Amino acid sequence: NAGVTQTPKFQVLKTGQSMTLQCAQDMNHNSMYWYRQDPGMGLRLIYYSASEGTTDKGEVPNGYNVSRLNKREFSLRLESAAPSQTSVYFCASSDRGLLTQYFGPGTRLLVL
Amino acid sequence: KQEVTQIPAALSVPEGENLVLNCSFTDSAIYNLQWFRQDPGKGLTSLLLIQSSQREQTSGRLNASLDKSSGRSTLYIAASQPGDSATYLCAVPAGAGSYQLTFGKGTKLSVIP
Repeated sequence: NAGVTQTPKFQVLKTGQSMTLQCAQDMNHNSMYWYRQDPGMGLRLIYYSASEGTTDKGEVPNGYNVSRLNKREFSLRLESAAPSQTSVYFCASSDRGLLTQYFGPGTRLLVL
Repeated sequence: KQEVTQIPAALSVPEGENLVLNCSFTDSAIYNLQWFRQDPGKGLTSLLLIQSSQREQTSGRLNASLDKSSGRSTLYIAASQPGDSATYLCAVPAGAGSYQLTFGKGTKLSVIP
């Protein structure tokens, strides 16, 4: 039982490049989330998926897209990376609604 | 808009001391509050979740309380150990029925041997 896994662990991009962050959970959870964590700003929700087949914007969705591929997987895509997207990205899941959220180890992204 | 404040931002205590971390929130219409722990370079680990109908939750040496009317929660750590050193964050729903969690910026705890 691996919980929530994220790939890659670390990535360097140049401005304008695109990439997809992958997230998978093996807890049969319905809801999945993408957050970013920045010094002085705390954790902020980018997008979430309340259940398979649905996605909704969070607090800071601009510049990102998401796909809930199936119940296990929820990916985050940066179409044209910008230095302001340098951050640590966390994926999380919960059984439903706002019950306890389980977090992945994070992806550190540096955009030059 | 829900806002969550954690004071102090950092705390250093000698090993064995009991300590209290504070969390306050502006919108008291919450249905739960969660406390998380984050170790450097790692993800968040859920410590305790308190439902709005509860006043306390306990797990080992940790005890979390919730006072919705005053918009406050505390995390009590008994007999602190160096392994407790981490950043502790609290989080509440952004609004009624919201899937969004609003996080505090955390309290960085250092337990000195």
